[in-house]
Amino acid sequence: EAGVAQSPRYKIIEKRQSVAFWCNPISGHATLYWYQQILGQGPKLLIQFQNNGVVDDSQLPKDRFSAERLKGVDSTLKIQPAKLEDSAVYLCASSLGASPKETQYFGPGTRLLVL
Amino acid sequence: AQSVTQLDSHVSVSEGTPVLLRCNYSSSYSPSLFWYVQHPNKGLQLLLKYTSAATLVKGINGFEAEFKKSETSFHLTKPSAHMSDAAEYFCVVSDPSGNEKLTFGTGTRLTIIP
Repeated sequence: EAGVAQSPRYKIIEKRQSVAFWCNPISGHATLYWYQQILGQGPKLLIQFQNNGVVDDSQLPKDRFSAERLKGVDSTLKIQPAKLEDSAVYLCASSLGASPKETQYFGPGTRLLVL
Repeated sequence: AQSVTQLDSHVSVSEGTPVLLRCNYSSSYSPSLFWYVQHPNKGLQLLLKYTSAATLVKGINGFEAEFKKSETSFHLTKPSAHMSDAAEYFCVVSDPSGNEKLTFGTGTRLTIIP
């Protein structure tokens, strides 16, 4: 079974530039998550999708971050404009359903460095 | 509000000796608890999970954890460490009061001494 795919794996940009990350979840998984993991911390949920609808985006900085999941499969996360504090690993995960009893499967992440 | 505290940021053990990674949680309701492992440049992988069934949970690679409500703890153990166990380990809590979203601890880095 193919895992969660993410691209790019690494990205270096300057502050105030924009950047986009892509995620392809495991086939058949209805729920998709984006997490931000700052160095030395645990991952923090940014946004959760159920199919193509947003379930929770309470911790997404909406003035600069946006995410979409068109057609309920792939998803993109965008930052515009980027700030220095956005340097982190962005993790995508997927699960069959939204219950925490469903295992979340994580992708390898995209490491972002903002200079 | 839910939270987890991982009591050690770094643990070192010799190969073949027991592993103990400590985790305490705070939750308003009966939580679900998880341990995830993160190897360098790899995605997070679920080791085991507790979802209100048996309090002693067995996971992959010989790891297990015991849910102790009276102590609000969910410590991760393994009888004998292997070099391949070197990684970052995250304790995670989820409860209904937090919309069932996962809240991660800050992680414990496990080093195995040959």
